[in-house]
Amino acid sequence: TQLLEQSPQFLSIQEGENLTVYCNSSSVFSSLQWYRQEPGEGPVLLVTVVTGGEVKKLKRLTFQFGDARKDSSLHITAAQPGDTGLYLCAGLLYGQNFVFGPGTRLSVLP
Amino acid sequence: DSGVTQTPKHLITATGQRVTLRCSPRSGDLSVYWYQQSLDQGLQFLIQYYNGEERAKGNILERFSAQQFPDLHSELNLSSLELGDSALYFCASSVTSGDTDTQYFGPGTRLTVL
Repeated sequence: TQLLEQSPQFLSIQEGENLTVYCNSSSVFSSLQWYRQEPGEGPVLLVTVVTGGEVKKLKRLTFQFGDARKDSSLHITAAQPGDTGLYLCAGLLYGQNFVFGPGTRLSVLP
Repeated sequence: DSGVTQTPKHLITATGQRVTLRCSPRSGDLSVYWYQQSLDQGLQFLIQYYNGEERAKGNILERFSAQQFPDLHSELNLSSLELGDSALYFCASSVTSGDTDTQYFGPGTRLTVL
């Protein structure tokens, strides 16, 4: 059983479309991070959200941390082929370690 | 470039052998984490060191061990290798800001056990 669930598992869309991916848990996290990983490379940090209800924007990416600090979403506006990759969320449990979700594999077709 | 370095980038070895993976954290980061990523398992936390001391253990097999040296670099030792140990092994270092940690990942070592 995964402590962090991500949905959808796979997503294939056309360039210019919008999309949202989700990260859900029954656990409360002190913070949550989103990463993008390309094949054969290490995950690259996109954002860290700390406060419940927090919204952060990074160009066309909008990240939201749930009010209860148990879930998060990543919304991409006008997706581009360069957005293709594996999107991972990772939650930091209070006094413990990071747990990673299984990831959403995004493919943006030109 | 995250500032975390890992060597080697690729490693091919045979079952039963022993290998050592090396990680240098970002300058100033005291924590080092090791993860294993295989196709069907996602990123699995193995172990964490903080300033030379083991801080947390995850799903690390008894055949695997790690240490962090005084200069803060870390090594992950994998012994009696099995085919199922083939995977990407990532090291991450972290910095604490306020009340949260942020991890930065290295480029990984791809281990292939034949």
